[in-house]
Amino acid sequence: NAGVMQNPRHLVRRRGQEARLRCSPMKGHSHVYWYRQLPEEGLKFMVYLQKENIIDESGMPKERFSAEFPKEGPSILRIQQVVRGDSAAYFCASSPERNTIYFGEGSWLTVV
Amino acid sequence: TQLLEQSPQFLSIQEGENLTVYCNSSSVFSSLQWYRQEPGEGPVLLVTVVTGGEVKKLKRLTFQFGDARKDSSLHITAAQPGDTGLYLCAGQMTGAQKLVFGQGTRLTINP
Repeated sequence: NAGVMQNPRHLVRRRGQEARLRCSPMKGHSHVYWYRQLPEEGLKFMVYLQKENIIDESGMPKERFSAEFPKEGPSILRIQQVVRGDSAAYFCASSPERNTIYFGEGSWLTVV
Repeated sequence: TQLLEQSPQFLSIQEGENLTVYCNSSSVFSSLQWYRQEPGEGPVLLVTVVTGGEVKKLKRLTFQFGDARKDSSLHITAAQPGDTGLYLCAGQMTGAQKLVFGQGTRLTINP
């Protein structure tokens, strides 16, 4: 996990608020992925980004969720108007070109 | 429909026993990775296999990629309590960058 930095590690939001999760990939990695893990389940792919481009967002819910990876700064996963069902662990991962994917420690979102 | 099926989903054995976890699919993968995840943490990469029939060893852990690159196995010899955790297999399909995960095997090694 060393190198992929996620923050915050834990986030509590009330229903209807916005959640912003940040991810800094490992040095030299230009590919970023976001995954979601519900309790006692495996990881589900959400979105794959390269710098300034969304490459594959087939796993993203159609509404309220968005992701970006700007030219400068971390990747952001944004969840608007959160609901209880959004409570989960959100993992960011990064890779150099096409190769092994490394995960961060995760951000645990709790919606109350 | 789960693209990668892991079995068993739960396994509890005594220290010193051997075990095998399976990861099966009807699809072909260009690479397959095994991760271990502890509660409250992210998945930690154990191994990547890319060649059909490939076998990799990591101390007491042996990983094998099927000849047709549709399945993989993880064998642990003389399991120890420190091996307890969630083991995840994940594959990259040809032409795709994203990883598809199995549902995981929760392994408990009892002293």
